[in-house]
Amino acid sequence: GNSVTQMEGPVTLSEEAFLTINCTYTATGYPSLFWYVQYPGEGLQLLLKATKADDKGSNKGFEATYRKETTSFHLEKGSVQVSDSAVYFCALISNSGGYQKVTFGTGTKLQVIP
Amino acid sequence: NAGVTQTPKFQVLKTGQSMTLQCAQDMNHEYMSWYRQDPGMGLRLIHYSVGAGITDQGEVPNGYNVSRSTTEDFPLRLLSAAPSQTSVYFCASSQGGGYTFGSGTRLTVV
Repeated sequence: GNSVTQMEGPVTLSEEAFLTINCTYTATGYPSLFWYVQYPGEGLQLLLKATKADDKGSNKGFEATYRKETTSFHLEKGSVQVSDSAVYFCALISNSGGYQKVTFGTGTKLQVIP
Repeated sequence: NAGVTQTPKFQVLKTGQSMTLQCAQDMNHEYMSWYRQDPGMGLRLIHYSVGAGITDQGEVPNGYNVSRSTTEDFPLRLLSAAPSQTSVYFCASSQGGGYTFGSGTRLTVV
């Protein structure tokens, strides 16, 4: 079956540092890939997505590129802020039997300190 | 546009009690699902529905029931609460890729 593997957290960075959160996946076919963010006490919000190989998703300074050759979708940001502190989930969506099936990673907690 | 609305936000139950977690969406999405989120385990799918009248089990369905009589509503029922069901529950809806999540229900079973 499908699976998503994320780096374990927590990741602690100083403000303005460079962020990378690794995500690799296993799936059949051609899934769509997503990053979701969860702020404390809230539900998950879509951060960015990519629907085919070599696509780059971007939003709020975050970027991730769909790399089919390495089955990866790493999340990056050039300069993190305290307000970026949250839990980040990598996910893939594939079509199975005519229906969508989503698989989430276990989440990576990011703490940004001033 | 409200998106996905979950109620209640917090609930404490005694072991053996039953309750229903409500979920409603106003986006006319066909696909709705329930997840539980536990520390270190990410999100685990409980039940899902691909349209009114159609539901199916996810990864951890035991102890939970669902029904989908309308496109908008997808309630989750706990039949006889157990401490192992202490968790944060999220409802989500989707149409054509990408999921919209509710803000969650934090349930404690004592």
